[in-house]
Amino acid sequence: KAGVTQTPRYLIKTRGQQVTLSCSPISGHRSVSWYQQTPGQGLQFLFEYFSETQRNKGNFPGRFSGRQFSNSRSEMNVSTLELGDSALYLCASSSPGQGDANTGELFFGEGSRLTVL
Amino acid sequence: GEDVEQSLFLSVREGDSSVINCTYTDSSSTYLYWYKQEPGAGLQLLTYIFSNMDMKQDQRLTVLLNKKDKHLSLRIADTQTGDSAIYFCADRSGAGGSYIPTFGRGTSLIVHP
Repeated sequence: KAGVTQTPRYLIKTRGQQVTLSCSPISGHRSVSWYQQTPGQGLQFLFEYFSETQRNKGNFPGRFSGRQFSNSRSEMNVSTLELGDSALYLCASSSPGQGDANTGELFFGEGSRLTVL
Repeated sequence: GEDVEQSLFLSVREGDSSVINCTYTDSSSTYLYWYKQEPGAGLQLLTYIFSNMDMKQDQRLTVLLNKKDKHLSLRIADTQTGDSAIYFCADRSGAGGSYIPTFGRGTSLIVHP
């Protein structure tokens, strides 16, 4: 079973540009979450998509957006890049369903490392 | 979850036991997790514990949960150099309909010979 695939793995942008990151979840997983990882702030939740709908959202400005397609693949976009957006962006997928019967294990991709100059 | 805290670094000698500690604030947490991140990789679930348990053992790993103090720990017995990684504590509650886990900042475990 293929794991979570994120592309691109590395990218360099300059301030003011925009970037789109892609995530292909594990087959059958309908929930996709995005996280930003930085040395100073740790792992911060961006948003979660389920069945093409944003189900949960973290505390990030509107420059950060995302979407999910009918095949569960997801993209996130960051517009008007700032130096502070330099980070590792992690995507995670999980099996559908909520509630205590679902352990909620997240399966992470290797991440997209964004450097903003 | 609300807030999860853990120390940033832990250094141990190969063969010793490692204990990584974590505290959380959300009293409605249902599941608590330990994830491991190796260099250049994403996170991988190591183990989890349900909130009605106080201990879980899985080979070299022992998880202890003190719900009263909202304290979670991960003990790795006979620590090996391959255990060097960042370990994240996370909790999940159903509060407000959100099942998104809240992660700590991660503890970097350094194992030296």
